Amino acid sequence: DAGVIQSPRHEVTEMGQEVTLRCKPISGHDYLFWYRQTMMRGLELLIYFNNNVPIDDSGMPEDRFSAKMPNASFSTLKIQPSEPRDSAVYFCASSLGATKNIQYFGAGTRLSVL
Amino acid sequence: QQPVQSPQAVILREGEDAVINCSSSKALYSVHWYRQKHGEAPVFLMILLKGGEQKGHDKISASFNEKKQQSSLYLTASQLSYSGTYFCGENTNAGKSTFGDGTTLTVKP
Repeated sequence: DAGVIQSPRHEVTEMGQEVTLRCKPISGHDYLFWYRQTMMRGLELLIYFNNNVPIDDSGMPEDRFSAKMPNASFSTLKIQPSEPRDSAVYFCASSLGATKNIQYFGAGTRLSVL
Repeated sequence: QQPVQSPQAVILREGEDAVINCSSSKALYSVHWYRQKHGEAPVFLMILLKGGEQKGHDKISASFNEKKQQSSLYLTASQLSYSGTYFCGENTNAGKSTFGDGTTLTVKP
């Protein structure tokens, strides 16, 4: 398996623009997680899905952030409008099951909002 | 609330041992450990489950004290490749994970 695939790897955008980050989980995994990593706040869980259904979005910072999982092989994280403080590395991870959930991370998307 | 890791940073010489600790304020279902090298994604090392089951890396060991809600990662005879930031993650039985702030390990020749 190719692992968790994220795109793009790098995104540079201007404040106010819409940003869409994409994730393809490992085939067969039923959990998908979106994380944000910064020096100041560490690795934060934003939202996670089980069988394509959002379970907990309490980590989503503001209404400007939204995430969808239209099917088992694709998820998006959208920021609209983007702000400089959104600059971070965004990771997607997937796992099989909840109880022994070994999470496999994608390579991440490094977002810079100017 | 996130788990608390200690120490924040460790510097070792090759061959030396290190222990990284992780404490939680919640009743945990499991604890998992990841290592992240600079500019890369976190990589799974080990998971410790309530009841004693463990799955993970051959050369790294860990413990999980359910009553104290603490876990420790033991790195023995460290190698240069062990350098990186180590994160513990606490799991509830609902599948949600919360990670600590990380411990940066530097192994020098």
